[in-house]
Amino acid sequence: DAKTTQPNSMESNEEEPVHLPCNHSTISGTDYIHWYRQLPSQGPEYVIHGLTSNVNNRMASLAIAEDRKSSTLILHRATLRDAAVYYCIPVSTIKAAGNKLTFGGGTRVLVKP
Amino acid sequence: GAGVSQSPRYKVAKRGQDVALRCDPISGHVSLFWYQQALGQGPEFLTYFQNEAQLDKSGLPSDRFFAERPEGSVSTLKIQRTQQEDSAVYLCASRHSRARETQYFGPGTRLLVL
Repeated sequence: DAKTTQPNSMESNEEEPVHLPCNHSTISGTDYIHWYRQLPSQGPEYVIHGLTSNVNNRMASLAIAEDRKSSTLILHRATLRDAAVYYCIPVSTIKAAGNKLTFGGGTRVLVKP
Repeated sequence: GAGVSQSPRYKVAKRGQDVALRCDPISGHVSLFWYQQALGQGPEFLTYFQNEAQLDKSGLPSDRFFAERPEGSVSTLKIQRTQQEDSAVYLCASRHSRARETQYFGPGTRLLVL
């Protein structure tokens, strides 16, 4: 499995953007980059994923470096509800690879009112 | 439709007791995963089913852990002779079919072994 490196924690003020970096320098060419978040006392929930191009959805944007060795999750306007642990996870698309999610330590995001 | 549900939400067991944790995946989802999350850590993979077939059980920590999904829908994770180190949140996730698709997680079962 590709290893990931994320900062342990980040703080943001409400209504301001949050940029969450992830280093995945050993990622395979067939791995998608998934982001999940886990709110307190809940199971993880999907945020966004991408392969090579930048992606946007209603929750966030994902910027993927050209060499795919890093990516950045962007929360455009943080709200108190965005306080969670954010996980960057390379996901293999090769059937034999098992397809499980390998969570690292994640980044704990604190949003201040 | 309904999401992934798990029961019970909380379980207190005495050391040595057997426990059974249930997962109801999203209807029609082929893949089902179990994860274990210790306090302050990220979830760790336990086992994976495709329909009723258990294709990967490499994450099960010991032979006291057993999972089944006999009809390809509901799954049960059983822990025999529970130990204090088994205390954790047990998360179930389901996925429609393809590997790059989203996994949908349940709320988890918090197990405390005394």
